[in-house]
Amino acid sequence: DTEVTQTPKHLVMGMTNKKSLKCEQHMGHRAMYWYKQKAKKPPELMFVYSYEKLSINESVPSRFSPECPNSSLLNLHLHALQPEDSALYLCASSQGPASNTEAFFGQGTRLTVV
Amino acid sequence: QKEVEQDPGPLSVPEGAIVSLNCTYSNSAFQYFMWYRQYSRKGPELLMYTYSSGNKEDGRFTAQVDKSSKYISLFIRDSQPSDSATYLCAQEGKGSQGNLIFGKGTKLSVKP
Repeated sequence: DTEVTQTPKHLVMGMTNKKSLKCEQHMGHRAMYWYKQKAKKPPELMFVYSYEKLSINESVPSRFSPECPNSSLLNLHLHALQPEDSALYLCASSQGPASNTEAFFGQGTRLTVV
Repeated sequence: QKEVEQDPGPLSVPEGAIVSLNCTYSNSAFQYFMWYRQYSRKGPELLMYTYSSGNKEDGRFTAQVDKSSKYISLFIRDSQPSDSATYLCAQEGKGSQGNLIFGKGTKLSVKP
């Protein structure tokens, strides 16, 4: 099983709303990631969690708040977003911080901020 | 400075053709490279994973890394209409192997 599950698949939210994106994997992976992908662009890294601790934050605005409650779950809390934050948000996981294993992506949450 | 360069295409080929997709990279510190396939409005799907120089084959797909020229390639033999997608090359960045630096992606269309 190489599945990374993301919910919801689609989300429309207003600029004053608070919402959360969820990601789950049961492959025993200890590294999990959030990427953001705008239309016709490649994915761009936002956050890396390694052994449930935040290890990389790529200068992401504080209106995006990640959380890793346990080794299988990763959340992205959203608050006071802007229309330009509309994008496909991708979660990925890999075995751990050491090299030589591949990263698997979920199908993404398509977020629209109105 | 962009670290992974990839021609965005689009690339259109007839069914059965051999497809060659290419990327160049600038940072030699990281030697793990991946190819992902992404269908419209879906997440990237890992196709191939290679380390340093050499070839790796999986069915109709062959991934190649030329360390001396900093060039990575994906070859698709006997291309099918179902191969129509955007192909993303990626290089492992700092920290861990999930920290990926992607090329822009090449949009491939295989015509029946």
